[in-house]
Amino acid sequence: QKEVEQNSGPLSVPEGAIASLNCTYSDRGSQSFFWYRQYSGKSPELIMSIYSNGDKEDGRFTAQLNKASQYVSLLIRDSQPSDSATYLCAVNINAGKSTFGDGTTLTVKP
Amino acid sequence: DTGVSQDPRHKITKRGQNVTFRCDPISEHNRLYWYRQTLGQGPEFLTYFQNEAQLEKSRLLSDRFSAERPKGSFSTLEIQRTEQGDSAMYLCASSKGQGHQPQHFGDGTRLSIL
Repeated sequence: QKEVEQNSGPLSVPEGAIASLNCTYSDRGSQSFFWYRQYSGKSPELIMSIYSNGDKEDGRFTAQLNKASQYVSLLIRDSQPSDSATYLCAVNINAGKSTFGDGTTLTVKP
Repeated sequence: DTGVSQDPRHKITKRGQNVTFRCDPISEHNRLYWYRQTLGQGPEFLTYFQNEAQLEKSRLLSDRFSAERPKGSFSTLEIQRTEQGDSAMYLCASSKGQGHQPQHFGDGTRLSIL
């Protein structure tokens, strides 16, 4: 079992729809959680961080964390073609390294 | 502030050669990380520094890999006697040193082994 698991996709949604991306992690001691967006051939770009249970909203993005279920998700509202990318979930047990999932590829169709 | 800078952006070399990559972190960030990423995979942790101290190194990392951050500013990653399997994108990231801060990535160095 991988430490951080994501559905590989691809996930395809029409423009304007809500895209839902999911991530589960194995270590109950995990303390911080991050979502990165990665366009093809580019490096990961931080879009959200979340540290406590519940929802955190930033513009069209909402991160949700449930530590009891070891689950973190990212919702993208009003999806745009420019949101088409691979979304990486990253989990930190301590203040050092991040453990990444393999990403979910999202395609937003005009 | 300027972002994380990596050099070179691309490196093509023959199997068996040594290569060295450089990373300049965001100026006020005292943590620096190296990751490796291959196609279809997420970044894989290699090592990280707090200031000049190397605090953690992946157990999966071959002895051919070494990293330094001598003055707590820029860092270098060296791969000796490169192998075909070393072909990957090498990513550097930095973060502030307090608590669980998010990491900010450079554009990476793409290594191709002929």
